[in-house]
Amino acid sequence: QVQLVQSGAEVKKPGSSVKVSCKASGGTFSSYAISWVRQAPGQGLEWMGGIIPIFGTANYAQKFQGRVTITTDESTSTAYMELSSLRSEDTAVYYCAREVGHSSSWYFDYWGQGTLVTVSS
Amino acid sequence: QSVLTQPPSASGTPGQRVTISCSGSSSNIGSNTVNWYQQLPGTAPKLLIYSNNQRPSGVPDRFSGSKSGTSASLAISGLQSEDEADYYCAAWDDSLNGHWVFGGGTKLTVL
Repeated sequence: QVQLVQSGAEVKKPGSSVKVSCKASGGTFSSYAISWVRQAPGQGLEWMGGIIPIFGTANYAQKFQGRVTITTDESTSTAYMELSSLRSEDTAVYYCAREVGHSSSWYFDYWGQGTLVTVSS
Repeated sequence: QSVLTQPPSASGTPGQRVTISCSGSSSNIGSNTVNWYQQLPGTAPKLLIYSNNQRPSGVPDRFSGSKSGTSASLAISGLQSEDEADYYCAAWDDSLNGHWVFGGGTKLTVL
């Protein structure tokens, strides 16, 4: 059974950075893309970017270009999302999700439990 | 403002059939398959429908999906109280080097 376990809640000051981890178990980590999706309080889901561990190249949403860095550590089957220059609007629950599929049919089949990041002075 | 458009709310009584729409464009729904996610209060999203109309193992056949052109729909028949949740559609968008887009979500209330 695949599991994605994320790091705990964080409280950060405006202007600082946060790094959230997502440890995978029960599957072949390197072969599947991992995406990061965030959800602000009372709002919908927003894709931030994704990475395929075996290739190591990340693809970011235009909105977060230059502020987000997604990396992986294949030795520990862990993905990381670092967001810099934090502002209050970045307060949200951040999810990692495994992306699977084939041809033109892709989807997120497993999700982490979410990590609440609160940005407050 | 979400790229995919969903009604903010929907409702029905137990046993009824409800549908939730999702409207997009040629670069997302028009070119790629649609997925639906269910998010119960305080929990992570869960895959409900993938590839327009496929159900993952364990999802009841009360849930069904369809797609036509640049729109998609999620139908829930035999509505149950435990179906009360937020529902999101999602699709890959081929513009801007490719990225995932979501609908704004539909809050389903079981009356």
